[in-house]
Amino acid sequence: QSVLTQPPSVSAAPGQKVTISCSGSSSIIGNALVSWYQQLPGTAPKLLIYENNKRPSGIPDRFSGSKSGTSATLGITGLQTGDEAEYYCGAWDGPLEAYVFGTGTKVTVL
Amino acid sequence: EVQLVESGGGLVQAGGSLRLSCSASGFTFSSSEINWVRQAPGEGLEWLSCITSSGSIYYTDSVKGRFTISRDNAENSVFLQMNSLTVEDTAVYYCARTTGSYRDHWGQGTLVTVSS
Repeated sequence: QSVLTQPPSVSAAPGQKVTISCSGSSSIIGNALVSWYQQLPGTAPKLLIYENNKRPSGIPDRFSGSKSGTSATLGITGLQTGDEAEYYCGAWDGPLEAYVFGTGTKVTVL
Repeated sequence: EVQLVESGGGLVQAGGSLRLSCSASGFTFSSSEINWVRQAPGEGLEWLSCITSSGSIYYTDSVKGRFTISRDNAENSVFLQMNSLTVEDTAVYYCARTTGSYRDHWGQGTLVTVSS
């Protein structure tokens, strides 16, 4: 099964910036639109970024997404304690005809 | 307001079966693709299956032949029939709607526990 690789954890102080990478093969990241999901402790995942860099209504512009080649990146600026959560990237793997989630990254606010 | 509500989870013995339901409201269900995603305790998200508005079905390899997804547009519901369950199937099961390339609305999840 295809895998999207993320760092297990990232951390920074309040107000600082963190970036989370999502790496995959050309058959996924290279050709697909990437989404990002935020999962706060004990809750269901929530859409954070779609189509590589778009924010749903209600998502603050502190959250941003980008994609280059076979890697996508989620950025969070002005880090807040409420941002402590698990973050997952996701994309459709065309050849496998399956949706793939990243391995997940835990964000800790120091 | 878009709402997805899962039900049908519970405790089942290994080798047994369970049928999960996802009840939808607040959008045109018959035109929508619905997914099942699970999360084992302390683990990440695992996409399992989806069914499109036209009835096309996709599965991840680990559940092919054991799980069956179906939909009833008259009831605004999607189902996941799970057979030959193992302890590795213990997880919270979520349904989620697809819009374009992304999963934009999720249910609160239902817990499935498989005992040995």
